[in-house]
Amino acid sequence: AQTVTQSQPEMSVQEAETVTLSCTYDTSESNYYLFWYKQPPSRQMILVIRQEAYKQQNATENRFSVNFQKAAKSFSLKISDSQLGDTAMYFCAFMKRETSGSRLTFGEGTQLTVNP
Amino acid sequence: EPEVTQTPSHQVTQMGQEVILRCVPISNHLYFYWYRQILGQKVEFLVSFYNNEISEKSEIFDDQFSVERPDGSNFTLKIRSTKLEDSAMYFCASRGLAGGGTQYFGPGTRLTVL
Repeated sequence: AQTVTQSQPEMSVQEAETVTLSCTYDTSESNYYLFWYKQPPSRQMILVIRQEAYKQQNATENRFSVNFQKAAKSFSLKISDSQLGDTAMYFCAFMKRETSGSRLTFGEGTQLTVNP
Repeated sequence: EPEVTQTPSHQVTQMGQEVILRCVPISNHLYFYWYRQILGQKVEFLVSFYNNEISEKSEIFDDQFSVERPDGSNFTLKIRSTKLEDSAMYFCASRGLAGGGTQYFGPGTRLTVL
């Protein structure tokens, strides 16, 4: 079974600064996906960024980037130029790559607050 | 942009009653999921559905739960006899063959069991 661990329950950052959220995972699988989802107060789950394990290049989406260290089973999210709208709960998630419809396994979440 | 929709947004029910939560996945998607999130906790997998059958279910998904895709567009989660501990946010998600494994979530149904 896979496990995902987010060791920072809460973090805060000043507007326009950079912040990094940590995530580690445990799996015996070699082929998988990793995701960061954002959950604002509305509780909608919004995809932030996705990484395919076979790709060595770290994924980037505008101000969001990841540091994927496969050997260390680490998948951190960096948010640059933080904005007030980035205030949300952030969940790291793991999914095996298979054809039958694999589940997402989520971490406990990190509550990020961006301060003006 | 296509999106997953869920109804109702909030359901209040009495303990022991049956509830049906409805989802309309993105139209060309083939994999469907239900997750739940008890307030203040992480999101937990309930069940996945592919090719008109359950492909995987968690230990939470006991005999009180069932899923159905009755008409090719809706995807429903039924809880036969609700308990207080079923109070949670229930999310539907869907995934296509393309998109690199990404599951797209609906806005959720908040279920309150009294």
